[in-house]
Amino acid sequence: SQQGEEDPQALSIQEGENATMNCSYKTSINNLQWYRQNSGRGLVHLILIRSNEREKHSGRLRVTLDTSKKSSSLLITASRAADTASYFCATDGNQAGTALIFGKGTTLSVSS
Amino acid sequence: DAGVIQSPRHEVTEMGQEVTLRCKPISGHNSLFWYRQTMMRGLELLIYFNNNVPIDDSGMPEDRFSAKMPNASFSTLKIQPSEPRDSAVYFCASSLEPTGGGQGYTFGSGTRLTVV
Repeated sequence: SQQGEEDPQALSIQEGENATMNCSYKTSINNLQWYRQNSGRGLVHLILIRSNEREKHSGRLRVTLDTSKKSSSLLITASRAADTASYFCATDGNQAGTALIFGKGTTLSVSS
Repeated sequence: DAGVIQSPRHEVTEMGQEVTLRCKPISGHNSLFWYRQTMMRGLELLIYFNNNVPIDDSGMPEDRFSAKMPNASFSTLKIQPSEPRDSAVYFCASSLEPTGGGQGYTFGSGTRLTVV
């Protein structure tokens, strides 16, 4: 079953614009992670935010976490054509030894 | 390290045939996961191993699916007999710990299975 759900399902923007994707989840968590998947490839880990953190940055990526609303957002600033991919959030369900559960993803298309 | 290695990359088989997917995790990673990805259902966890021991196989669809991890450097996912609804991309991933820790999961490139 899906723990996280991304919104929107698809997003199309122009190069240079910012892209924001949201993730909502159902149960409490220890951490939330974001992954990117290029077409025909496996998922790649982007960033992890822990339940006691509210915001985290990595290069052009900014992740926020609101545990009271059980939601997270991923912001990609100054997007590039190479950012075209699907983005997934994953949660651990706040149980020791459990595997990550992934949402269905947001498909981002960046046109030049 | 070459990353997580899966084989084959593509597999086309006839309904009723046995299919075996293979995975070599990253050396030193203690946890190994098998996921299945379809458009309809997204990325589903099938089974995961920790220190070569199956921990959670609740996602394995039915008895036709089985997975083994005979040692720390090799795992297989077998489907017997295969059915058209098994068509999907199957991913293997590995990590230092079940929830990935700070570095998350490392995924292989996947095996695209088509059952006709």
